[in-house]
Amino acid sequence: DAKTTQPNSMESNEEEPVHLPCNHSTISGTDYIHWYRQLPSQGPEYVIHGLTSNVNNRMASLAIAEDRKSSTLILHRATLRDAAVYYCILNSGYALNFGKGTSLLVTP
Amino acid sequence: GAVVSQHPSRVICKSGTSVKIECRSLDFQATTMFWYRQFPKQSLMLMATSNEGSKATYEQGVEKDKFLINHASLTLSTLTVTSAHPEDSSFYICSARDRAGLIWTQYFGPGTRLLVL
Repeated sequence: DAKTTQPNSMESNEEEPVHLPCNHSTISGTDYIHWYRQLPSQGPEYVIHGLTSNVNNRMASLAIAEDRKSSTLILHRATLRDAAVYYCILNSGYALNFGKGTSLLVTP
Repeated sequence: GAVVSQHPSRVICKSGTSVKIECRSLDFQATTMFWYRQFPKQSLMLMATSNEGSKATYEQGVEKDKFLINHASLTLSTLTVTSAHPEDSSFYICSARDRAGLIWTQYFGPGTRLLVL
């Protein structure tokens, strides 16, 4: 799977939007962009995925650049429960390979 | 979303004993499950791919005789850590793959924390 680059950490205030960036300049045509998050001492939780078009679900929105070399996970109103490590992963059907992700801190 | 369970959630054992961890897909069938290991402050590392009815595929550096995987049914995979040693202490996480249309999505269990004394 192609490699992704994410900031090590980000900080947000509660109830404000959060934009988590991910660069994936070597993405292939068959790679889907997956986002997972992991709360402390828990297994990863699926957040959202997309291929080319922007995607929305009850948890978040995924904005994908037109050239697909980057994407942004958008949490519309951060809550304290959103504090987690967020992983951006490219996958074309095999096992997910996790990088270091972005540790999101949400402050009241 | 699909639900994956693991049992036990935590286990403490003595060095030299074996420990079995169960991973179940509760509301879907999974021909493929994955086992990961996570050490403190590190990311998840894929250990092996478990295929129903066939032998597991292990990642490079993972000893297949030490980490025995059995995927006997479409909803259950087990990981047995044989002759466990303190360096095997870690957070073990399984996932199961579910398909919706053309897309495979992995769903993860809550993890099993193993402490070997």
